Formats: sequence, C-alpha cells, structure tokens
Amino acid sequence: DIQLTQSPSFLSASVGDRVTITCRASQGISSYLAWYQQRPGKAPKLLIYAASTLQSGVPSRFSGSGSGTEFTLTISSLQPEDFATYYCQQLNSYPYTFGQGTKLEIK
Amino acid sequence: EVQLVESGGGLVQPGGSLRLSCAASGFTFSSNWMHWVRQAPGKGLVWVSRINSDGSSTRNADSVKGRFTISRDNSKNTLYLQMNSLRAEDTAVYYCARIVWSGSPWAAFDIWGQGTMVTVSS
Repeated sequence: DIQLTQSPSFLSASVGDRVTITCRASQGISSYLAWYQQRPGKAPKLLIYAASTLQSGVPSRFSGSGSGTEFTLTISSLQPEDFATYYCQQLNSYPYTFGQGTKLEIK
Repeated sequence: EVQLVESGGGLVQPGGSLRLSCAASGFTFSSNWMHWVRQAPGKGLVWVSRINSDGSSTRNADSVKGRFTISRDNSKNTLYLQMNSLRAEDTAVYYCARIVWSGSPWAAFDIWGQGTMVTVSS
C-alpha cells in the first residue's frame, strides 16, 4: 500500500497568513493526488485534484503543486472559514489511501 | 442539485449486520463509479470499497474483505454497503462518494454524502 505522510499534523496560524501543508508519498504517484478540506461534523470537500487543478468553486487562494512523491497545498491568505482539517489522497493505486490529516487552528 | 444521501446507520452488536444505503440525485448515477469511505471518531479518512458503473466489478480494503459487500441498483439510483460480522473497530461515520475521471490523473472524489454513523457495541 502507498503511505501518505502529511506535515505538519497541527498548524496554528492567523487570519491573513500564508500556510503550506506537505504530503509525501511512500512511492511515486505521478500527479494522482487530491486535497480535501473537512470542517467539524461535515463531509470532506474536494479542493484540488491532479495535484494542482483547482476544483470549480474553490477560492483561488488555494493552490497545489508537486508530482512524484512530494506535494504541497498552499493557502495564500487565510480566511476564518479555512480553519479546518486538510487531507491528501492518492488515487494512483488501490487502496486509495489518505494522509493522516493536518488540523489548521486559529492562533 | 447534485446530492448523495446516506441512511441505514445505527447501533449494532459485535457480529451483527447492517446495510447502508446512499441515494443519488442530480446526476447520471449509472455512469459513475462509486466509493465508500469511513472515519472513526476523532480519526482520519479510510477508503473502504468501490464499485464500477454497472456493478460488475468491486474492490474492498483488506480490513473489510470477506465481510463487507458493495453493490448498486442503477434503476433506483442507489448505492449499498452490506456489512456483516461487524467488529468494534468498524465503528465510524460512513460516507459514500462519487469519483470523477476514475483511473486518470484527474480522478478525485468530487461529491460526498453527509455520512451515516455506525456504532458496533454490546
């Protein structure tokens, strides 16, 4: 199975900050990577697919990059509604694994 | 509106069975592969199972192999997850999700249901 490791697991930041979350795969997955946002008690929401393509309706302050084994999700200027947990997911091979999550909290 | 609505969760004893349903609307259900993902309380997301568009091909995570069966009824726009021999570690919120561009680099779970809670306890 392909393991995904996100760093950091917890991140404390302020409104307006620029933050970056990293996702590392245990083996190469080309660009078969998606990012999701999950707010407490809610279903995950797709933000980015194919490593860097913004899902329709997602604000442009979100961006993704990377290929192979290292990927990043960047939020350019944090808004109050961005404080949530973020997950990466690989769709290169089954089982479709997720990272352990990064909880973004208000400083 | 494109929507997935799960139902069928609840409290069940260890060793028991439960069938989850996921009703789809607002899109051509029969054209899409579908997945189940679960999330134990306070934990991360775990992929469980998938089914192709006509139901002829399925795949399960090792942790549920031989116990869970995914199926679908395209005439009813409904996805199912039959869960047998349930264990305490199966306790989780279960989400159904639509995958787009399955098998391509653009693949992703773009539509998720609200989730249904399954609790396995005596």
